[in-house]
Amino acid sequence: DAGITQSPRHKVTETGTPVTLRCHQTENHRYMYWYRQDPGHGLRLIHYSYGVKDTDKGEVSDGYSVSRSKTEDFLLTLESATSSQTSVYFCAIRDLQGRYPGKLFFGSGTQLSVL
Amino acid sequence: GIQVEQSPPDLILQEGANSTLRCNFSDSVNNLQWFHQNPWGQLINLFYIPSGTKQNGRLSATTVATERYSLLYISSSQTTDSGVYFCAVDRDDKIIFGKGTRLHILP
Repeated sequence: DAGITQSPRHKVTETGTPVTLRCHQTENHRYMYWYRQDPGHGLRLIHYSYGVKDTDKGEVSDGYSVSRSKTEDFLLTLESATSSQTSVYFCAIRDLQGRYPGKLFFGSGTQLSVL
Repeated sequence: GIQVEQSPPDLILQEGANSTLRCNFSDSVNNLQWFHQNPWGQLINLFYIPSGTKQNGRLSATTVATERYSLLYISSSQTTDSGVYFCAVDRDDKIIFGKGTRLHILP
C-alpha cells in the first residue's frame, strides 16, 4: 500500500470557521492531488501540486487554497467553511518514475461536515 | 475542459455474470486509469492503461486512444466486485474522473 496518511479522518465544524486538511506521504512522489467526492458527482479535482511550492487549480477550486512547503505534505485549507463544502476529501499521489510510473494512489479520505 | 462519461451509471448482476463498463472521453489524453471504490470507500487502482489491453485475473481493460474510449471487463462476477468503478484521464497533469458506474452483484 502507498504510504499516504490523511488527517483528520473525520471533522465537524461550523460555517465560517477555517479548516485545514493534511495529506502526508512517505513515497517521495512528485505529484499530489486533492479531490472531493459527492453523491452524483464522482471525484472532482480541487487542486494539485507538481512539486514543492508548485500548485495549480483543478475543476472546483473556488473557496479552497493549498500549500506544499515540502515534498511529503500537501495541505488543503478552507478559509471560511460553508455547508456546500461538506464532503469526503481524498488525497492522491503519483510519480512518473519508480515501480508504478503514472499510477495514482489514494489515501483513506477525510469526512468533513460543515454545520 | 475535458469531459469523461461512464456508462452505464448503475448495473445489477447475478453472481457469475460477465459485465462491460465503458468510459468515453472528449479529447486526447496522456493516459487512462481504472479504479474500484469498495463499499467502505477505499479507492484501488485497477489498471494504468493509456492504450492497448491488460489483464489481471478476472478483470481486463482495453483502451482505444484514437477513438477516445476505454472498456473494463469483469468476468465471473463475485459479490466482492460490488462497488463503484471509476475511470480517470490525465491531461496536462490534471487527472479528471468520470462519475462512475455503480455495480451491485447479487449472491
